Amino acid sequence: QSALTQPASVSGSPGQSITISCTGTSLDIGDYNYVSWYQQHPGKAPKLIIYDVNDRPSGVSNRFSGSKSGNTASLTISGLQAEDEADYYCSSYTHIVTQVFGGGTKLTVL
Amino acid sequence: QVQLQESGPGLVKPSETLSLFCNVSGVSISSDYWTWIRQPPGRGLEWIGYIYHSGSTNCNPSMKSRVTLSLDKSKNQFSLKLRSVTAADTAVYYCARHPDRRWFDPWGQGALVTVSS
Repeated sequence: QSALTQPASVSGSPGQSITISCTGTSLDIGDYNYVSWYQQHPGKAPKLIIYDVNDRPSGVSNRFSGSKSGNTASLTISGLQAEDEADYYCSSYTHIVTQVFGGGTKLTVL
Repeated sequence: QVQLQESGPGLVKPSETLSLFCNVSGVSISSDYWTWIRQPPGRGLEWIGYIYHSGSTNCNPSMKSRVTLSLDKSKNQFSLKLRSVTAADTAVYYCARHPDRRWFDPWGQGALVTVSS
């Protein structure tokens, strides 16, 4: 069982927006602004797409955005494209074990 | 450009020790945190632990008793040893830079390690 809870799957049509939630506790997401998101295509290593809740690394599309409210973080992808189909993982700093991941969400672009 | 590359045996026998190395290029490991993460086939990511450039470490409590992390600054690499492995330790093992323990970037390409007799 993962420390952070994500929906197993989400889907959307090209051009639409989707949001993936990531729920933790007051010991991780609720207490630190160190939430990050990763995109993983099949057979590839994860790629950082959001860090510190809502910052984007250089080179990552501005269609990806992050936010946080209380113990829940969210990743929004706007203007869905076929290439966005992948698995998405959230992660947070926690003072218990230092870093925890969500179970992952499979995004299907219809 | 910072790059990481895992290396080590792809097959380990049950009860033996899994050993992996992460070679770092483009930056000195004499700064920042460096981490190991694994992903069992078809499953999610699991943080194993990090090592700081000073040599201090922190590990996931679920594996802490079996894990040893170390640095070799002369080779600009860090390593993972996981003792007493079982089939449940079969996974792709990734190394990554862990800036200020806030995120992971970049990642190595990953190394599949299978535990089987």
